[in-house]
Amino acid sequence: IQLTQSPSLLSASVGDRVTLSCKGSQNINNYLAWYQQKLGEAPKLLIYNTNSLQTGIPSRFSGSGSGTDYTLTISSLQPEDVATYFCYQYNNGLTFGSGTKLEIK
Amino acid sequence: QVTLKESGPGMLQPSKTLSLTCSFSGFSLSTSGMVVSWIRQPSGKSLEWLAAIDWDGDKYYNPSLKSRLTVSKDTSNTQVFLKITSVDIADTATYYCARSLYGYIHYYVMDAWGQGASVTVSS
Repeated sequence: IQLTQSPSLLSASVGDRVTLSCKGSQNINNYLAWYQQKLGEAPKLLIYNTNSLQTGIPSRFSGSGSGTDYTLTISSLQPEDVATYFCYQYNNGLTFGSGTKLEIK
Repeated sequence: QVTLKESGPGMLQPSKTLSLTCSFSGFSLSTSGMVVSWIRQPSGKSLEWLAAIDWDGDKYYNPSLKSRLTVSKDTSNTQVFLKITSVDIADTATYYCARSLYGYIHYYVMDAWGQGASVTVSS
């Protein structure tokens, strides 16, 4: 399954509601996770099984979707959210999306 | 506290075999459900899952690289190894090891990662 993330670059203001998209080439059956990777760091698990928040992750992060289309939402963007976000499917094979780089405007 | 740390040669020549070690603490690979995976990331690019080994010694590989990969663990269940044969420039990347726990989240959802080991393949 191939994953297409959009946009590749997103610039938003602190406090904005931000939505990142991930689209699969086939049905992912909700086996989708989101990782956050800050510059020079390892990826960090945010969301798994489409909408389950990993322990310790702020509640401003949420996930949704079904079938082939999934979304990561940040309800109120914070400066520390600057990072690249990768979606990852584990339904059929294991693949990561190409990433969305999130910047502060 | 779960920690993982990768180590490797830093640089090696094309056609050689790359050997990587993942040393971890805060969990044991002998614990039922425990899985350690290897993932790599070329600079500025996305991530690619490579291989996994679980508490039972079962091993799984990325089909596109399977012929070149060997994953193993030590008898104390505190280290996991990855060997990649016949490396070329395309294998230049940061290599991560990561833990997942079957029955907690998912066999293949990694919830703890090492800091990564940079590997450059160059003549």
